[in-house]
Amino acid sequence: DGGITQSPKYLFRKEGQNVTLSCEQNLNHDAMYWYRQDPGQGLRLIYYSQIVNDFQKGDIAEGYSVSREKKESFPLTVTSAQKNPTAFYLCASSPGLRGNQPQHFGDGTRLSIL
Amino acid sequence: AQTVTQSQPEMSVQEAETVTLSCTYDTSESDYYLFWYKQPPSRQMILVIRQEAYKQQNATENRFSVNFQKAAKSFSLKISDSQLGDAAMYFCAYRSGGADGLTFGKGTHLIIQP
Repeated sequence: DGGITQSPKYLFRKEGQNVTLSCEQNLNHDAMYWYRQDPGQGLRLIYYSQIVNDFQKGDIAEGYSVSREKKESFPLTVTSAQKNPTAFYLCASSPGLRGNQPQHFGDGTRLSIL
Repeated sequence: AQTVTQSQPEMSVQEAETVTLSCTYDTSESDYYLFWYKQPPSRQMILVIRQEAYKQQNATENRFSVNFQKAAKSFSLKISDSQLGDAAMYFCAYRSGGADGLTFGKGTHLIIQP
């Protein structure tokens, strides 16, 4: 079955440590996205990518980095510069560049600070 | 920048009754799309319904329908014959005509009373 796989489901980070969240899709979608969800808030866009080797900052990109070396993969690195990384992270993808194409979401990764 | 406002943090409805969730948005764009997503306790984001701004006809998907008032920038979701499985967080989301990400409201927690 086609879908989006995020791993791990739970992740713990020590102070000063970088961690990488994985996102893989087999839907053959061109566009991929990372969102952050905090309690009592909606999702906020961190980064997105429309094609391989290209990505743009979203609303809250500071302290995060991404890469898009393959169409199927869009990993997110939470760096030590992100001072409040505890949150639920969701990856999404959509077929292409048209705004009416809905985004499909993975099951998320919960990141906590030790 | 676009903003999405959901003014009802929580709503409660009796099973089999009808409930309407409110959403307003602010944009200066003419080409955009609106979505309602459902997030059950599993935290998965599920697309409920979508509306193209250029279409005057309100979208409908089985028991779910929208009331799209473009001039008022209002996009409410009506759930008919509410079922226990409808209990979830509901998020209203906006997307411009390009392939950038979604802008979400803060969500409405829907409770279904048996």
